[in-house]
Parts: sequence; structure tokens; C-alpha cells
Amino acid sequence: NAGVTQTPKFQVLKTGQSMTLQCAQDMNHEYMSWYRQDPGMGLRLIHYSVGAGITDQGEVPNGYNVSRSTTEDFPLRLLSAAPSQTSVYFCASSYLGRLSGANVLTFGAGSRLTVL
Amino acid sequence: DAKTTQPTSMDCAEGRAANLPCNHSTISGNEYVYWYRQIHSQGPQYIIHGLKNNETNEMASLIITEDRKSSTLILPHATLRDTAVYYCIVRVNYNAGNMLTFGGGTRLMVKP
Repeated sequence: NAGVTQTPKFQVLKTGQSMTLQCAQDMNHEYMSWYRQDPGMGLRLIHYSVGAGITDQGEVPNGYNVSRSTTEDFPLRLLSAAPSQTSVYFCASSYLGRLSGANVLTFGAGSRLTVL
Repeated sequence: DAKTTQPTSMDCAEGRAANLPCNHSTISGNEYVYWYRQIHSQGPQYIIHGLKNNETNEMASLIITEDRKSSTLILPHATLRDTAVYYCIVRVNYNAGNMLTFGGGTRLMVKP
């Protein structure tokens, strides 16, 4: 049981390049989400999904796309990287709608992205 | 979601109990108190949650006041590995989609 797996752990991009951060979970969680964390700051929600084929925007969605074709995978795409997207990205998952368990998130180890 | 207030930072001696307070005076009846922590550079880790009764698990204890306007996370025997940022979050117990908001938290420094 690996939990939430994120790849890559580190990535350096040039401005304008595109890339995909991968997130996979093996806990059959319905809910998956992406957060970003800038230095010295709290986490901000980018996008989330409540099930395969369903996604929605969080607090800071601009510049990012997501899709959810399977329960297990929730990739985050940077369309045209900008220096402002330099951050640490965390993927998280949980059950959906279970009594008192809905907000027990399991986080991945993070993907550190630098955009030059 | 109810707003929470936590001290910015706290120190604790290794082996002693760490008591981390959280104020949530606007909490409503169906909102739970959740605690997470984030050790440097790692993903946040769920610790414990509760509604109104005190809760204990292998990591910590959660004490919620009778009026539910504040709570305390207790790490009974803090170790150096407990040095982290601790987040107190108040949230309803169902997933409406737009999930947890992580604020500033309390930076706990456990010292030898």
C-alpha cells in the first residue's frame, strides 16, 4: 500500500515550457486534490476532483489543468510555465462523504518545481 | 468554515508534553476540529480530529472545551521529530468538494 505517489520529486523548467505532475493513489479514494505551497506560506488549493470524470477549480487554478480519467490518477498540467509557478506541489486524497472521515487527507511527498 | 487562531510559534523541551492551543470561537454545531502537521519539506500529515468529546490516538490527544470554542492538541512526550508546523482546521464532516484550508499554523520547536 503505497498511499499517494507523486512524480517527479524535483523539476526545473524554463519559462513557457509545459509539463505534467503525476499523482497516483492506491486507496480507492474518491476525492483527489492539488495544493501548492510557496515558501513560508500555507497550502493553497489549485484543483480538485470528487470522482473520475469530475474536476473543479480551487483557490488558485489559473495556469493549471487537470483531468481525472481513472479513480487512481489525477495529473496536474502546467500549460506554459511561469516563474510565479515556482513552488512545492502536493497531491492529496481522501474518501468522500464518509462520516467524519471525509477530511482525513493523505498527502504525497511533494513535487518541487522551479521555473527559470 | 469557522476561522481558527493559533499562536505563531511555541517551544517545548524534549520529553515534555507539548500543548498546542487553537481558538475557534465561531465553530458551528456540525463542524469538526482537525489537526495536521507538516514536518519540514514533507507533505502534511493527519494527526487527529474530534467533534466534542476528547479524543486520543497513538500520536496525540485532542481536548475540546465544553463550549467547543477552543481546543488543545497534546503530544504527551515530545521528541525532536515532532518539530513541525501544526495546523488546526475546523470543517464540516462531509466532503463538499472544496476542501481544507491550511492557514499559518503553529511552528513547534522541540528542543533537547
